Amino acid sequence: SQQGEEDPQALSIQEGENATMNCSYKTSINNLQWYRQNSGRGLVHLILIRSNEREKHSGRLRVTLDTSKKSSSLLITASRAADTASYFCATFNTGNQFYFGTGTSLTVIP
Amino acid sequence: DAGVIQSPRHEVTEMGQEVTLRCKPISGHDYLFWYRQTMMRGLELLIYFNNNVPIDDSGMPEDRFSAKMPNASFSTLKIQPSEPRDSAVYFCASSLTNSPLHFGNGTRLTVT
Repeated sequence: SQQGEEDPQALSIQEGENATMNCSYKTSINNLQWYRQNSGRGLVHLILIRSNEREKHSGRLRVTLDTSKKSSSLLITASRAADTASYFCATFNTGNQFYFGTGTSLTVIP
Repeated sequence: DAGVIQSPRHEVTEMGQEVTLRCKPISGHDYLFWYRQTMMRGLELLIYFNNNVPIDDSGMPEDRFSAKMPNASFSTLKIQPSEPRDSAVYFCASSLTNSPLHFGNGTRLTVT
């Protein structure tokens, strides 16, 4: 991708379990954002973490950021079937550019 | 707020034809982005505008691609001539400065 990679590429879990996705990026950033994409639709913003933050929570979502390792993780707790989607990290860098990772396809089995 | 509106939702055309994709950003947003999504390359940033001015078009694959933003409420992405390898979903997104992107639902382009 233009900016980074995510792993795993695909993740399948049972409803109620936690899902963790990781993102690595390449350049200095102002902030990092996570987006969700349902099949056939545009991306929807989930959460933003600034470069001077290490952890952020929003409902069942927890995001961590390690700028020294240029990596971030997204944890979805108590997953639901409706969480089935693709998840992307996106970095907003000092050049005012948004670059997206390769995405993780999450399947939550009821 | 109607969100970002893209048209058409689907476009099927023959190789060599001109294709024009349209986008209406959210009113008041000062950034507009065009992305292309394929299975092979994921989401690629093609070009973005700030206050209607193109800032970075380094992602535009070739001279066959051009984008314009004549005013704050409208942008076009044109491919002329189109080729089968241009088949993809093209997304437009808009945002305020340092804020999350709001995406349209995309245009699925198929070039035969």
